[in-house]
Parts: sequence; C-alpha cells; structure tokens
Amino acid sequence: EPEVTQTPSHQVTQMGQEVILRCVPISNHLYFYWYRQILGQKVEFLVSFYNNEISEKSEIFDDQFSVERPDGSNFTLKIRSTKLEDSAMYFCASSEDSLSGELFFGEGSRLTVL
Amino acid sequence: AQSVSQHNHHVILSEAASLELGCNYSYGGTVNLFWYVQYPGQHLQLLLKYFSGDPLVKGIKGFEAEFIKSKFSFNLRKPSVQWSDTAEYFCAVTPRSGGYQKVTFGTGTKLQVIP
Repeated sequence: EPEVTQTPSHQVTQMGQEVILRCVPISNHLYFYWYRQILGQKVEFLVSFYNNEISEKSEIFDDQFSVERPDGSNFTLKIRSTKLEDSAMYFCASSEDSLSGELFFGEGSRLTVL
Repeated sequence: AQSVSQHNHHVILSEAASLELGCNYSYGGTVNLFWYVQYPGQHLQLLLKYFSGDPLVKGIKGFEAEFIKSKFSFNLRKPSVQWSDTAEYFCAVTPRSGGYQKVTFGTGTKLQVIP
C-alpha cells in the first residue's frame, strides 16, 4: 500500500539552527501539506502546496518557514532559525485531489529544540 | 473559517463498553467530515468520512459516525470497544466548496480502554 514517508523520525537541534524535514508523498498525489502537533495540543495546519507553489498558509507559517519540492518526489519543510516553541511533531500529508479532503499522513518527524 | 470542537479530552472505558465521542463543527456552508485515529507511536489514519448521502457512515474496525446537520454534529460510536482501540481520535472538517480544501482538526480525544 502506498504511503507517505518522512525523515528524520526524530531530530534534536540547538535553538537558532536550521532544520530541514523531508517528506516523500504518495506518487500520484498532487496536493501536499505540513501540519504540526505540539505535545498535548491539537494538530495544526501549517501550509499547503500545489502546482509548485503555496496554496494556503496559516499564521504560524511565518518567514521562518519555507517549503520546497526540489525534485519530483520530495517535499521539504525548512525552519530557518529554530526556536524552543518549534518543538513539535511535524506531519506531512498528501492528497490525490482537492475535493475529497482525504489526507494521507506520514508517521511524523519529532523536532526537539534545545 | 471553520472550527471543530471535541467535548471529551480523555475517556477511560472497560473492554466491551460502548463508546460515543462527541464532535461539533462550525461552518456556514457544506462540509466534508472525518474521524482520524492516532494509535500510540503511529501516524494519523483515516477511520471514516462523510461527504453526502446516508448520514450514518461506517468505518474500519467497527466504528461508525452519524452526521446530524441540524446539530452540526458528527459523533463517533462503537458498540463494544477493545483494548486495541486505545488511541487518540480526531474529528476533522473541510468545506466542500471546490478547489483546495484545508482540513481543520479538533483537539482530539484520548481513549484508554482497560482490559
């Protein structure tokens, strides 16, 4: 069964460092997303990506964040200068079309900022 | 903008007990509704979804949910829970308005089933 894969599964970084989280969406999917879940809180939308550009982003997704689809398979989230409050589980998701709303999630990348 | 509220944050049940988790949404238009489940240490998985038609939808593992439009609710039910149902359950909504759809999640309900 096709699945969304994410790397790394866990990353520990120092405050101020840059982090890149990688995702390989399901191959025939066209829409890509990043969500995050701070421990004990709800899953929050960060950004959506379609046709090589951002479709929508939340207030959380400020200039510190960027996304890229550098090749035909990877979808990355870059956090330029990490802060303590960026510690969270980051989930990548993809969907085949925009109407169904059904997202397929990866297992998440846990980011710990010290 | 749409929002989702889940009434129960933490539910503890014994095996074979019946389950009902509440979910209410707020949005002025037509929506698609989902329940996702996150088992310990695993990723979010779709449990069931409602787009249109019969408001009682059946999902995997014996779960079902009923869409009550007048109450803006989409409660999740299971007649008899098992220990393996221990997980966190998230209700989610997306507006059905064409084009890109952003999924909004509720805060989640942690279900603990005691053997």
